[in-house]
Amino acid sequence: GAGVSQSPSNKVTEKGKDVELRCDPISGHTALYWYRQSLGQGLEFLIYFQGNSAPDKSGLPSDRFSAERTGGSVSTLTIQRTQQEDSAVYLCASSLAEGAGLETQYFGPGTRLLVL
Amino acid sequence: QKEVEQNSGPLSVPEGAIASLNCTYSDRGSQSFFWYRQYSGKSPELIMFIYSNGDKEDGRFTAQLNKASQYVSLLIRDSQPSDSATYLCAVNGYSSASKIIFGSGTRLSIRP
Repeated sequence: GAGVSQSPSNKVTEKGKDVELRCDPISGHTALYWYRQSLGQGLEFLIYFQGNSAPDKSGLPSDRFSAERTGGSVSTLTIQRTQQEDSAVYLCASSLAEGAGLETQYFGPGTRLLVL
Repeated sequence: QKEVEQNSGPLSVPEGAIASLNCTYSDRGSQSFFWYRQYSGKSPELIMFIYSNGDKEDGRFTAQLNKASQYVSLLIRDSQPSDSATYLCAVNGYSSASKIIFGSGTRLSIRP
């Protein structure tokens, strides 16, 4: 595909359920990022992947959040035992690499998560 | 102190005027600086990036970087109503070059 894709586009779940959010980066992009954006707020960094490894997990809010990336491509963000405060838009971005210009991030359309 | 600071706005500018958006950052070792635009309900999209001190122009947009003052700005000339959006400043971290820190954004409103 031409851009970053994310699925589902919208997810409504009940408190306490687990959810999986998927991100498919731009082909050839080695770096992948997850962010969270609550209504009217800025971007909150969650985790960054370089290839399949995650050098920086510092933004994950709690141990209920985890992410993996396989084959240097698709990534899944899993939220266990969802809480109402997890409701937000979850954005994925990818970039070609590190280095001047190469770390420019391109964003997917996001997954809107609502926890009832 | 936040790592990347922006005035949340809203900043209201008349159509045709110059809009000036400002951003300061705390990591003196940062090397890469980005401006993104985000329309309501949409994802951020890159406007431009800058690495060197001075000005960089792209159409109606000019980014200005002053590393000594740890300051980056975005000027929008001949502002149009379609420029109304939230503008996000982003900076990479020296300790982790690929970790981009975003400011909370400035809401810009262009009034006809």
